[in-house]
Amino acid sequence: QQQVKQSPQSLIVQKGGISIINCAYENTAFDYFPWYQQFPGKGPALLIAIRPDVSEKKEGRFTISFNKSAKQFSLHIMDSQPGDSATYFCAASVMPPEGAGNMLTFGGGTRLMVKP
Amino acid sequence: ETGVTQSPTHLIKTRGQQVTLRCSSQSGHNTVSWYQQALGQGPQFIFQYYREEENGRGNFPPRFSGLQFPNYSSELNVNALELDDSALYLCASSLVSPPSTVADTQYFGPGTRLTVL
Repeated sequence: QQQVKQSPQSLIVQKGGISIINCAYENTAFDYFPWYQQFPGKGPALLIAIRPDVSEKKEGRFTISFNKSAKQFSLHIMDSQPGDSATYFCAASVMPPEGAGNMLTFGGGTRLMVKP
Repeated sequence: ETGVTQSPTHLIKTRGQQVTLRCSSQSGHNTVSWYQQALGQGPQFIFQYYREEENGRGNFPPRFSGLQFPNYSSELNVNALELDDSALYLCASSLVSPPSTVADTQYFGPGTRLTVL
């Protein structure tokens, strides 16, 4: 059962453009929504994360927009650069019990290519 | 670099065999999670260990098992390998500090690519 659906599967953006990746979730108990970036041959690396008590979070060129009522969240990459070319994953987690860490449910991934 | 290392980098096994994958957590991290990433898909949560105890498990059969050691290194063991077990296996370490409920940041290793023939 895929609890986090991610789109598009692939995305081509010109340098300087805005990259937008969307995710939708089903489990209303999710309360932590991180985005990961993965380069070939590497493990995923945390980019930015949001909790559902805010609708937007910005860190540098990366912004998460969160719509709790629609159960959707998205990643915006402003001024996209060729170095941003990677696979991006959204994820979600319910609040873990005390003495446990987040157990992430990932989306299927978006392969982003930024053309020079 | 995240400070999380995994070994081996690549591994080839045949169906029915057993395999052990290893992970060395970032210094000071007390929690390790293992994920399976099939080609072209997102990682899937296998299980998590905190202070040497399994405290959460995804939808994986019992032939997937693990260990976490006092030095916070860990192992993922898979018995009776099947062709569908071919994937990139990722470990992620984090620091959990109860009673804090601040979401822990998980730092992933580069993974072990397992091929089952």
